[in-house]
Amino acid sequence: DIQMTQSPSSLSASVGDRVTISCRASQSIRDNLNWYQQRPGQTPKLLIYMAFGLQSGVPSRFSGSGSGTDFNLTISSLQPEDFATYYCQQSSTIPYTFGQGTNLEIK
Amino acid sequence: EMQLLASGGGLEQPGGSLRLSCAASGFTFRNYAMNWVRQAPGKGLEWVSGLSGSGVSTYYADSVKGRFTISRDNSKNTLFLQMNSLRDDDTAVYYCAKGNAYYYENSGYFLEYWGQGTLVTVSS
Repeated sequence: DIQMTQSPSSLSASVGDRVTISCRASQSIRDNLNWYQQRPGQTPKLLIYMAFGLQSGVPSRFSGSGSGTDFNLTISSLQPEDFATYYCQQSSTIPYTFGQGTNLEIK
Repeated sequence: EMQLLASGGGLEQPGGSLRLSCAASGFTFRNYAMNWVRQAPGKGLEWVSGLSGSGVSTYYADSVKGRFTISRDNSKNTLFLQMNSLRDDDTAVYYCAKGNAYYYENSGYFLEYWGQGTLVTVSS
């Protein structure tokens, strides 16, 4: 199975900050990398597909980059509603594994 | 409006069985692959199972292979997960999620929309 490793596991930041979350795959997954947001007590929501595709309705402050094994999710200016847990997922090879999550907290 | 309503969770003893359902509406159900993803209490997301739009092709995580069976009834717009030989570590919220394509093994596949989950607790 392809292992997905996110860093950091947790992150404290302030409203207005620019933050980047990283995700590394144990082997090349080309651009088959998706990002999801899960707010406390809520269902996960798709943010970014195929490494950099912005899902409809997602604010443009979210962006994705990378290919092969290394990927990033960047939030350009944090808003209060962005404090949540973020997961990457590879869809290159079944099982479509998730990273362990990055908990983004308010500083 | 797209909706996925999961049900069937509850408390079951180790070794027991449960059948989860997910009722879909707001899109042409038969045209899309579907998925089950679970989340143990306080833990991250774990992909469990998926199947193609026809239901012919099915896929499982190693942790559930041979114990869980995914299926769908396209005439009733419903996804199922039959869970047998339940173990303590199957305790989780189970989410159903809509894929973005008919075929599961499709380049660029992602989980486009998630329903609310149903809680499964396995305990004696």
